[in-house]
Amino acid sequence: KNEVEQSPQNLTAQEGEFITINCSYSVGISALHWLQQHPGGGIVSLFMLSSGKKKHGRLIATINIQEKHSSLHITASHPRDSAVYICAALTQGGSEKLVFGKGTKLTVNP
Amino acid sequence: EPEVTQTPSHQVTQMGQEVILRCVPISNHLYFYWYRQILGQKVEFLVSFYNNEISEKSEIFDDQFSVERPDGSNFTLKIRSTKLEDSAMYFCASSGNSGGAGQFFGPGTRLTVL
Repeated sequence: KNEVEQSPQNLTAQEGEFITINCSYSVGISALHWLQQHPGGGIVSLFMLSSGKKKHGRLIATINIQEKHSSLHITASHPRDSAVYICAALTQGGSEKLVFGKGTKLTVNP
Repeated sequence: EPEVTQTPSHQVTQMGQEVILRCVPISNHLYFYWYRQILGQKVEFLVSFYNNEISEKSEIFDDQFSVERPDGSNFTLKIRSTKLEDSAMYFCASSGNSGGAGQFFGPGTRLTVL
C-alpha cells in the first residue's frame, strides 16, 4: 500500500521568503503530482513529474526516484501563494489511482 | 481556457435519499475521475472511468455508488442511499491522457447529509 507523507503540515512565511514543502512516498511510482487547493476548496494541478525537475514561474518541483522524495519550492513567496499544497502519487503498474498526502497549509504574510 | 464544471456547488440532502452529482469534463478528454474530501481530511480517489466503463475503483466505491456518462458531455456520480458519512466535498477531474496524468479538477460539490 502506497503511503504519501508531507511535511511540514503547516508553514508560515514572510513575503519574499523561499519556501520548501516535502513529500515522501513508500512504493514505486510512475508519476507524482503537486496540486494547489485554495481556501474555497478548488484544486489546481501545478506539476506532474516522474523524474528530475520542473519549473513554472516561481514554482519549482523536484523528484528523486531512488530516495522516493519530492520537493516543491516557491521562490519570492507572496501572500497570494497562501493555499494548501498537496502531493499525490500514481503507483506503478498502470494504476489510475492517485494517492494523496494530507497537504501542507502555507500562509504567507505581507 | 477549458475547464471542468460541476453542479450543484452545494447539495443538502436527508439521510437515505439518492443524490446525483454532475460534472462536465473538458470536451476532448477521455479519462474521468471522482474524488472526495471529507472536511479536514485528505483527498481520496473514488473511481476512474474510460471508454464507458469503470477502469479502477477504490474500496470506498461500494454498491451505493455508481457513475455514468449519459451523453457526450456529462459525467455523473450517483449515491443511492446517502449516509451521514457521505458528507464531503466531491471533485470531478478529467484528463486527455491515461495513467492519471494531466488532470484538470472541477471546483467541487459540497454534499451535506442531514
